[in-house]
Amino acid sequence: EIVLTQSPGTLSLSPGERATLSCRASQSVTSSYLAWYQQRPGQTPRLLIYGASSRATGIPDRFSGSGSGTDFTLTISRLEPEDFAVYYCQQYANSPPTFGGGTKVEIK
Amino acid sequence: QVQLVQSGAELKKPGSSVKVSCTASGGTFTRFAITWVRQAPGQGLEWMGRIIPFLDVANYGQKFQGRVTITADKSTSTAYMELSSLRFDDTAVYFCARGGEYEKTGYKPTAFDIWGQGTMVTVSS
Repeated sequence: EIVLTQSPGTLSLSPGERATLSCRASQSVTSSYLAWYQQRPGQTPRLLIYGASSRATGIPDRFSGSGSGTDFTLTISRLEPEDFAVYYCQQYANSPPTFGGGTKVEIK
Repeated sequence: QVQLVQSGAELKKPGSSVKVSCTASGGTFTRFAITWVRQAPGQGLEWMGRIIPFLDVANYGQKFQGRVTITADKSTSTAYMELSSLRFDDTAVYFCARGGEYEKTGYKPTAFDIWGQGTMVTVSS
C-alpha cells in the first residue's frame, strides 16, 4: 500500500500568516488522485482539495493544493481563526486508500 | 444534495459484534461507493473497506479481513458495517463516507466528499 508521510507534525502560526503543509508518498500517486481534508476538534473530516489541486465545493480560495508524483503541498494563504485544525492528505488512486498521519495547525 | 446519517453510539463488550448503519438521503445511492473509515481517540483516519451498492461488491482493508462485513440495502439506501470479535482497541469513531463511483467504463476512484456524522463505538468490560 502507499504510505503517506505528512510534515511537519505540528505547525504553530498566527492568524493572517501563511501555512505550508507537505505530504510525501512512498510511490507515485496515479493521476494525482490526492486529496486534503480538514478536521476541527469533535467534527467530521471535510474535503478541501481533490485531484491534488481542485477545490471542493464551497472551499475558500485561500486554500490551494499543488504537486504531483510523490510530493504534494497544501497552502493556506492567510490563516483565519477557523483554519486552526488538523489536516490530512489521502491518496485514493490505489487500493487501499490511505491517509497521512496529519498535520496540526495550532495558534502560536 | 446527498446526506449520510449514521446510527447512534454503541457500548459493547470484548468479543461481541457491532453493526453500524449509514442511510443516504437526497440523491443517488447505488452507483457510488460507500466507504468506512475509523478514528481511534486522538489518532488519525484508517480505511476499513467499501461497498458499491450497484454491484453489491465489497472490498476490505487487510487489517480487518475476516472481522468486518460491509453490506448495503438498495431498497432503503442504507449501508451497514459489522465488526466482530471486538477488542478494546476497536474503541473509535466510525465514519461512513461517499467515495468512488461506478460508471459505464468501470469503477472510478473519487475523494470522500460526503461524510456521515460518525458513530462512537466503545468497547469496555
